Parts: sequence; structure tokens; C-alpha cells
Amino acid sequence: NAGVTQTPKFQVLKTGQSMTLQCAQDMNHNSMYWYRQDPGMGLRLIYYSASEGTTDKGEVPNGYNVSRLNKREFSLRLESAAPSQTSVYFCASSFQETQYFGPGTRLLVL
Amino acid sequence: GQSLEQPSEVTAVEGAIVQINCTYQTSGFYGLSWYQQHDGGAPTFLSYNALDGLEETGRFSSFLSRSDSYGYLLLQELQMKDSASYFCAQSNQAGTALIFGKGTTLSVSS
Repeated sequence: NAGVTQTPKFQVLKTGQSMTLQCAQDMNHNSMYWYRQDPGMGLRLIYYSASEGTTDKGEVPNGYNVSRLNKREFSLRLESAAPSQTSVYFCASSFQETQYFGPGTRLLVL
Repeated sequence: GQSLEQPSEVTAVEGAIVQINCTYQTSGFYGLSWYQQHDGGAPTFLSYNALDGLEETGRFSSFLSRSDSYGYLLLQELQMKDSASYFCAQSNQAGTALIFGKGTTLSVSS
């Protein structure tokens, strides 16, 4: 039981490049989330998916898109990366009131 | 958007008791959670309160007062390994995305 996994662990992009952050969970949870964490800002919700086939915007969705591929997988795409998107990205899934986080992806946009 | 207020830093010595306070916004409030995050790691769930009162889990307890829009995390018998960031997080519906505070960095010294 791996819990929530994320790939890649680290990534460096140039401004304007695109990439997809992958997330998968093996706990059969319906809800999944993408957060970003910046120094001194806590975690901020980018997008979430309450169930397979549904996605909703969070607090900071601009510049991102998501796909809930199936119950296990929830990906986050940056179509044209900007330096302001340099951050640590956490994926999470939830059961009742507990959220389970992946190890994070550290993204640097130059 | 909504915000939660918690102190940015707290220091304590091993064996002591420390309380980390959190005030939240009442609009749409459903429950208050606490997460721990060590440097470079993922947030991990500690505790959850939806009703007034104290929830105890080993050395950690969490308290909620809905009438005061206030909660706290109480850490007893502090150990060096408790040095981490602690986040309070508000949910506005059962099992939905969280709104996080900016975190409190706890430093435990010997």
C-alpha cells in the first residue's frame, strides 16, 4: 500500500515550457486535491476532484489544468510555465475528514 | 478569500507543554483540522474537531470553540522530534478541500 505517489520529485523548467505532474493513490478514495506551498504562505488549493469525472477550481487555479483520469489518478498540467509557478506541489486524497498527502514535487521555473 | 490566523513561530524546551492557537472565519465553517509537516516532508494529519470540546490523541490534543471561532493544538511532553511546522485547516463541508493557515514553526530545544 503506497498511499499517494507523485512524479516527478524535482523538475526544472524554462519559462513557457509545459509539463504534467502525475499523482496516483491506491486507497480507493473518491476525492483528490492539488495544493501548492510557497514559503510563508501555507498550502493553497489549486484544483480538486470530488469524484471520478468531476473537477473544480480552488483558490489559485490560473495557469493550471487538471485531469481526473480515473479513480486512482489526478494529474496537474502547466501549459506555459511562469516563474511565479515555482513552488512545491502536493497532491492529496481524502477519506472522511483526513487528507493523505503525497511526497510533493519541487518545481523551479527559470 | 478566507484566512486562518495562527502564530508564525513558537519555541519550547523538551518535556514542556505548548499550545498553538488558531482563529478561523465562521462563514461556511464545518470543521477544524491540524496537520504536522517536517522540513522537506509532506503534511500529515494530526487531529480533527467538528464539535466544541477537546479531542485527545496521545501527547497531542485539539480543542474547538465554535462560539469563539477558535481552536488550539496542545502538545505535551515535547520531544525534539516535535520540531516541525503545524497547520490548522478549515473545512467548509464534510470531506471537502481544506483552507490552510500559514503555519506555526515549533522549535524544541534540549
